[in-house]
Amino acid sequence: DTAVSQTPKYLVTQMGNDKSIKCEQNLGHDTMYWYKQDSKKFLKIMFSYNNKELIINETVPNRFSPKSPDKAHLNLHINSLELGDSAVYFCASSQAGTTYSNQPQHFGDGTRLSIL
Amino acid sequence: QKEVEQDPGPLSVPEGAIVSLNCTYSNSAFQYFMWYRQYSRKGPELLMYTYSSGNKEDGRFTAQVDKSSKYISLFIRDSQPSDSATYLCAMSAGAQKLVFGQGTRLTINP
Repeated sequence: DTAVSQTPKYLVTQMGNDKSIKCEQNLGHDTMYWYKQDSKKFLKIMFSYNNKELIINETVPNRFSPKSPDKAHLNLHINSLELGDSAVYFCASSQAGTTYSNQPQHFGDGTRLSIL
Repeated sequence: QKEVEQDPGPLSVPEGAIVSLNCTYSNSAFQYFMWYRQYSRKGPELLMYTYSSGNKEDGRFTAQVDKSSKYISLFIRDSQPSDSATYLCAMSAGAQKLVFGQGTRLTINP
């Protein structure tokens, strides 16, 4: 009964390749997120979608492209992978918040991406 | 200077001790404060969620927010080996944008 599930859990690939990570949530939430956690454990938001609409887009290289086919899914496609992309990528979901509110976010268990 | 500062530790205490974890922040617009627990190879799990200043208690966990000092704390009473994890503070001014601390790695020794 995993609430937020990501696939794959581990991804090892070579520099220059293109890869995708998938995320699905069964919590009925309207908003989904992608975060990157680096080797020092810093967790930083990359993107957020609300009902398939992009609402947060942090300073992320345009090699990263999120896609939301429906509100229960948010995938992350990465082109031309670089060594610095090695990290753990977390998907999360929440109820929709507003400009002046914040709803708790629930995280998946991460995808560990290693670039050779 | 980072928006949220958190001592990465590691912090090691004996079982049964009271643990105090802290974060400071610089953005006075932050209104929502959270503590997440992250076990190795797992995603962050929401432990405590508070709005504005004050205290909140849930079982062995107490969260405190002092907005005047821009300082938040998490206390764990009667600590157990199962509490060994990385604890991340997170804050938001709204619009679902969370800013996380680096996380404090905590070990409870039996």
